[in-house]
Amino acid sequence: DAGVIQSPRHEVTEMGQEVTLRCKPISGHDYLFWYRQTMMRGLELLIYFNNNVPIDDSGMPEDRFSAKMPNASFSTLKIQPSEPRDSAVYFCASSTQGYGYTFGSGTRLTVV
Amino acid sequence: AQSVTQLGSHVSVSEGALVLLRCNYSSSVPPYLFWYVQYPNQGLQLLLKYTTGATLVKGINGFEAEFKKSETSFHLTKPSAHMSDAAEYFCAVTGGRASKIIFGSGTRLSIRP
Repeated sequence: DAGVIQSPRHEVTEMGQEVTLRCKPISGHDYLFWYRQTMMRGLELLIYFNNNVPIDDSGMPEDRFSAKMPNASFSTLKIQPSEPRDSAVYFCASSTQGYGYTFGSGTRLTVV
Repeated sequence: AQSVTQLGSHVSVSEGALVLLRCNYSSSVPPYLFWYVQYPNQGLQLLLKYTTGATLVKGINGFEAEFKKSETSFHLTKPSAHMSDAAEYFCAVTGGRASKIIFGSGTRLSIRP
């Protein structure tokens, strides 16, 4: 199994630009989570899906953030427009029936 | 609701010494508890988990944790530290199956030669 795959690994963009982060969960996992990690705030849950349906998006910081899961094997997290304070490492994780998450390697986003 | 508190943002031990990372949780329902490890520039990796049953849980790399309901604790231990154990460790709790996991703030473990 290839694990949870995230792309890109690194993204540097200018303030105001649109950023799209991608995630491919483990096949057969029915839960998908998006987290953001910063030194100041630690790990923050942004949104999670169950069977491709968003269940809880209360952690999404602003309307600039949106997430989709069009099918069981793909999800995107979009930031439009991006701001320097969005700079962080964004992790995707998947799980089945709550038996612990498997994390991707993350996308390090830098907004300049 | 669930929450988790990790005591000590940074722990330093000598190589070969006991590792003890402390975690206390709060949960309104029987908890599932987890320890994750994060090496630099990597994602989080599951070390071990407690769901039900035996309260002493063994994980990878020689780590283990004991669920103590009376103390609402789930401390992580390893008898003898190795240089490769240097990493960030996260305790996490969920209120049962398929719930979102709440992470602690993390403890950075350093190993002295």
